[in-house]
Order: sequence, then C-alpha cells, then structure tokens
Amino acid sequence: DIQMTQSPSSLSASVGDRVTITCRASQGIRNDLGWYQQKPGKAPKRLIYAASSLQSGVPSRFSGSGSGTEFTLTISSLQPEDFATYYCLQHNSYLFTFGPGTKVDIK
Amino acid sequence: QVQLVESGGGLVKPGGSLRLSCAASGFTFSDYYMSWIRQAPGKGLEWVSYISSSGSTIYYADSVKGRFTISRDNAKNSLYLQMNSLRAEDTAVYYCARDGGSGQPGIDYWGQGTLVTVSS
Repeated sequence: DIQMTQSPSSLSASVGDRVTITCRASQGIRNDLGWYQQKPGKAPKRLIYAASSLQSGVPSRFSGSGSGTEFTLTISSLQPEDFATYYCLQHNSYLFTFGPGTKVDIK
Repeated sequence: QVQLVESGGGLVKPGGSLRLSCAASGFTFSDYYMSWIRQAPGKGLEWVSYISSSGSTIYYADSVKGRFTISRDNAKNSLYLQMNSLRAEDTAVYYCARDGGSGQPGIDYWGQGTLVTVSS
C-alpha cells in the first residue's frame, strides 16, 4: 500500500503569510494527487487536482506543485477563511490514501 | 449542481449491521466512479471503498474488507454501503464521494456525511 506523510502536522500563521505544506508518498504516484481543505463540521473541499491544477472556483492564492513522491500546497497570502485542516489524497493505486492532515491556525 | 446526500446513519451495537445510502443528483450518475470515505471523531480521513461506474470493479480498505459491501443502483442514482459486524472503531462520519473521472481525476465532490456510532 502507498503511505502518505504530511508536514508539518500543524502550523500557526498570520493573515498575509505565505504557507507551504508538503506531502510525501512512499512510492512514485506520478501526479495522481489532490489537496483538500476541511473546516470543522464540514465536508472536505477539493482545492487542487492532478497535483497542480486549480479546482474551478478556488482562489488563485492556492497552488500545488510536485510529481512522483514529493508535493507541495502553497497559500501565497493567507486569508481569514483559510484557517482549516488540509489533506492530500493519492489515487494512483486502487487503495486510495490520505495524508494525516495539516492544521493551520491563527498565530 | 452536483449533490450527494447520505442517509442511514445512527447508533448500532457492536456486531450489528447498518446500511448507508447516498442519493446523487445534478450529474449523470452512471458515468462516474464513486467512493465511501470516513472520518472518526477528531481524526483524519480514511478511504473505505470504491466502485466503478458499472459496478463491475470494487475495492475495499483492509480495515473493512469482508465486513462492508459497496453497491450502486444506476437506475435510482444511488450508492450504498452495507456494513456488517460493526466495531467501535467503525464509529465515524461516512461521506459519499464522486471521482471526477479522466478529465479531473480524483475525488471531486463530497456529500455532507452521515454519522455512524457503534456503541453498547
């Protein structure tokens, strides 16, 4: 099975900060990776698909990069509505796996 | 717009059974692969099961294999999850989710979730 790790597990940041979250796969997954944002009590929302493509309707301050085993999600200028937990999901193998999540809260 | 509405959650005793349903609308259900994903209270997301558009291909996470059965009825635009031999560790919010297909691969839409609590 493909294992996914994420770092950091949590971070504190201020409005306007640039934030980077990293996801690593235990083996190569090409670009078969998405990034999701989840707020308390709500379903996750996809931000990025195919590692670097912006989901329709998602602000352009969100971007993704990477291929193979290492991927990053970047928020160029953190906004108040971006405080949430972020997950990566690989769908390269038929057993999909999520990263453990990164909680972004207010400094 | 795409809508996925889960139902069927509730309180069940260990060893018991429950059947979840997901009603899909706003897209051609029979064209899309679907999944169930769960989230235990205060924990991360766990993919549970996946079914192809025709229902001919199915996969399960090891944690539920042999106990859970995914199915779909394309005529009713519905997805199901039959859960047997339930354990305390199956307690979670269960989400129905759509795979975006070749154009936008990976899970793209989620339902609002239904809570399953396994407790005596």
